[in-house]
Parts: sequence; structure tokens; C-alpha cells
Amino acid sequence: DSGVTQTPKHLITATGQRVTLRCSPRSGDLSVYWYQQSLDQGLQFLIQYYNGEERAKGNILERFSAQQFPDLHSELNLSSLELGDSALYFCASSPRQGTGNTIYFGEGSWLTVV
Amino acid sequence: GENVEQHPSTLSVQEGDSAVIKCTYSDSASNYFPWYKQELGKRPQLIIDIRSNVGEKKDQRIAVTLNKTAKHFSLHITETQPEDSAVYFCAASSIYGGSQGNLIFGKGTKLSVKP
Repeated sequence: DSGVTQTPKHLITATGQRVTLRCSPRSGDLSVYWYQQSLDQGLQFLIQYYNGEERAKGNILERFSAQQFPDLHSELNLSSLELGDSALYFCASSPRQGTGNTIYFGEGSWLTVV
Repeated sequence: GENVEQHPSTLSVQEGDSAVIKCTYSDSASNYFPWYKQELGKRPQLIIDIRSNVGEKKDQRIAVTLNKTAKHFSLHITETQPEDSAVYFCAASSIYGGSQGNLIFGKGTKLSVKP
């Protein structure tokens, strides 16, 4: 158990819908990262937050947004869903920002868009 | 930004043999290089990492080497066992554009260890 908690574990929804994925980082970790992993694909970096502020953006679609709340939990919002958005979404956390920080992954949220 | 290339994409070895996975990165400012192991349907788990101030690090059957000049790093697994079968990801910690330590991953290597 990494200490990073993600909900829901599985989600099936229809095209055009909107979903929210939730992440609670490890106790004491201030940085939260979101990654997308499609079938047989690698880990695509989406976005990073540190202590409530956005710090870095990767290949995140405009239909996707995220935020980190004062209690440090984070949510990833996916809207106008398309079939291609079906993937495993990982949240990860680390104690600080900056290079050299080990990041710890949650178990992921499986999203299936039908 | 940072780009990480990983080879091979699949690797099959006999139990007891060694396995080597290689990665190259593009951003010379990257200074942290972890390796993650991911079993099917599970989360990636850190198995070893190396920082740019050292050239090699070992942990039992696993070792990582880093060549900063050539911008490549490798994972070496000796005396492979069936439970080593998984997908392995290399990563580099990018500071490009002010990003704060987010990891850029290679596309992964699917390692199969045959008994």
C-alpha cells in the first residue's frame, strides 16, 4: 500500500458525460501528479499540483481539468468524454516539489467510456 | 521538453539469465532517474532510482547505471525469476519550463521470464 488513495476504482460512463476522479495523497505529501495510462501505453503525465497551486502541465486535454484543495486532496475532472478517454488514471504524490523526489502511485481509477 | 526513449519494448529471457533495459533522455538538466515495475492491472512501484551524482547503484539482483555524457541509463536484472515478469518503466525527472519534478516516462518494456 503506497498510502495514495484513489476513488472510484472502476467507472463506466457514456460518451459526452463528465466524471470526477478523486485522489488523497500520502500523509504529509504536498505534491500531487496525475497520469493517464491507455491500453498497452505508457504513463502520460497530465498535470502536477503543489500545495494547492498548479506547477506543471503535460499532455492534458482542454476537456480535462484538475485542482488541489486546501486539505491537499485532488480531483481530476474529465468532460465531454470520448471513447478514447478510456484508460487507467493514476494519481501520485511526493513530499515536495523539485527534482529528485520519489513519487508514489495510487492504485488507479479505471475509466471505461462506452 | 524532456523525452525518454526506452528499448526494447518486449524482452523474453530464460529463468536465471540476465535482462538489460536501456533508456535515453533528452534534457541534460534532468538529474533523477527512477525505475518502476508494473504488474498487470496494478500500480507502478519504484524498484530502484539513481541520481546524477553517481554512475551506478545496486540493490541485490537489480542495478542501474547512468551515463550523463551520453544521456542514457540502464536497468540490469541478474538471475531473473518468473516473478520478475512485468512491465518496467524508466523515467527522468524534468525541470523543463519550470516544472517541479514531474516524471517523464519511457513507453515501457514488457519482460517475460520463462521457467
